[in-house]
Amino acid sequence: DAKTTQPTSMDCAEGRAANLPCNHSTISGNEYVYWYRQIHSQGPQYIIHGLKNNETNEMASLIITEDRKSSTLILPHATLRDTAVYYCIVRVAMNSGYSTLTFGKGTMLLVSP
Amino acid sequence: DAGVIQSPRHEVTEMGQEVTLRCKPISGHNSLFWYRQTMMRGLELLIYFNNNVPIDDSGMPEDRFSAKMPNASFSTLKIQPSEPRDSAVYFCASRPTLGEKLFFGSGTQLSVL
Repeated sequence: DAKTTQPTSMDCAEGRAANLPCNHSTISGNEYVYWYRQIHSQGPQYIIHGLKNNETNEMASLIITEDRKSSTLILPHATLRDTAVYYCIVRVAMNSGYSTLTFGKGTMLLVSP
Repeated sequence: DAGVIQSPRHEVTEMGQEVTLRCKPISGHNSLFWYRQTMMRGLELLIYFNNNVPIDDSGMPEDRFSAKMPNASFSTLKIQPSEPRDSAVYFCASRPTLGEKLFFGSGTQLSVL
């Protein structure tokens, strides 16, 4: 699986957009970008994933650069409950056979009032 | 759906004792994962089952750790004998056959004194 680089921590004001970057310069053509988050004292939670097109769901948007070497997770209107560690993971499709997730250190996002 | 159910939520034991952690995956999910999380090492994959068969146990620390999945609705992770360095949060996760998402339980906080 390709290596990812994320900032250790970020701050965001409540109600503003939170933009979390992830670098994955060694990503392969068949590797997807997955985002999970972990709220304190809970298990990780799936947010979104994508291959090359931008993706949006009820939780967030995922913007992947054209060269696919980096991506940004966008929480459009951050709330206090979005305070969590956000993990960016790059790997082949989860349903492609051997399918585990390797978590790095992630970005600690702190949303403040 | 109740999600992935883990028990107990908290376990405090003394060094040398046997510890058994339990997991009930989401009905219909055929892949099950055990992870361990510590401050020092983050989230580590211990073992991965597919259709009740262990596929990858390379993350199991040593012979003191064992995991079983006797049927599609139940898995155990056993530590015998337990040591203080085993203190961590242990998460179980499951995934449906063709799904892209892992669903995590709430974890078991293990303290070995």
